Amino acid sequence: RKEVEQDPGPFNVPEGATVAFNCTYSNSASQSFFWYRQDCRKEPKLLMSVYSSGNEDGRFTAQLNRASQYISLLIRDSKLSDSATYLCVVMASGGSYIPTFGRGTSLIVHP
Amino acid sequence: EAGVTQSPTHLIKTRGQQATLRCSPISGHTSVYWYQQALGLGLQFLLWYDEGEERNRGNFPPRFSGRQFPNYSSELNVNALELEDSALYLCASSLERVTRGYTFGSGTRLTVV
Repeated sequence: RKEVEQDPGPFNVPEGATVAFNCTYSNSASQSFFWYRQDCRKEPKLLMSVYSSGNEDGRFTAQLNRASQYISLLIRDSKLSDSATYLCVVMASGGSYIPTFGRGTSLIVHP
Repeated sequence: EAGVTQSPTHLIKTRGQQATLRCSPISGHTSVYWYQQALGLGLQFLLWYDEGEERNRGNFPPRFSGRQFPNYSSELNVNALELEDSALYLCASSLERVTRGYTFGSGTRLTVV
């Protein structure tokens, strides 16, 4: 089983739709979780951290389920500019402090 | 505040040659991470430098090496280039250990022909 797994998609949704991505991780010692956004041929950019209680940033909501070892990202009222690849990032405790990236989920928002 | 800067933006090399990629972290950041992103693949961790020392390396052969200078900038060297080394090489920096995610540079696109 891969350390961090994501459905590659693509998720093809119309503007205004709500879309959700899940990401599962295998290391139960994982402590820190993030979502990054990567546009085509660009560097990844931090979208948001994921906190145990869940957190929201505008149209974006991140959730963590430790029991089932997955995190999710919900995007409401999708915009054309949301089209990108969304990378799930997991970091375990124990001193290595090396974030592990999922391969990403592609989102295409169309008019 | 200047972000993470990488040079060159693009690099074309012939198989068997050596490539040197450079990274300047955000001012005040002491840790530098290198990742490889081959086409269609996820980011693969290469190397982590902190305070001038190599702290960890990913599952890559020894011909991938690097160093960190006293000003915390870093260099990634790839020797004996192979065609499959063609990829986007990303550098990221952080304060000490990463706890809040980190910032990437725009990358160096290496093409081996």
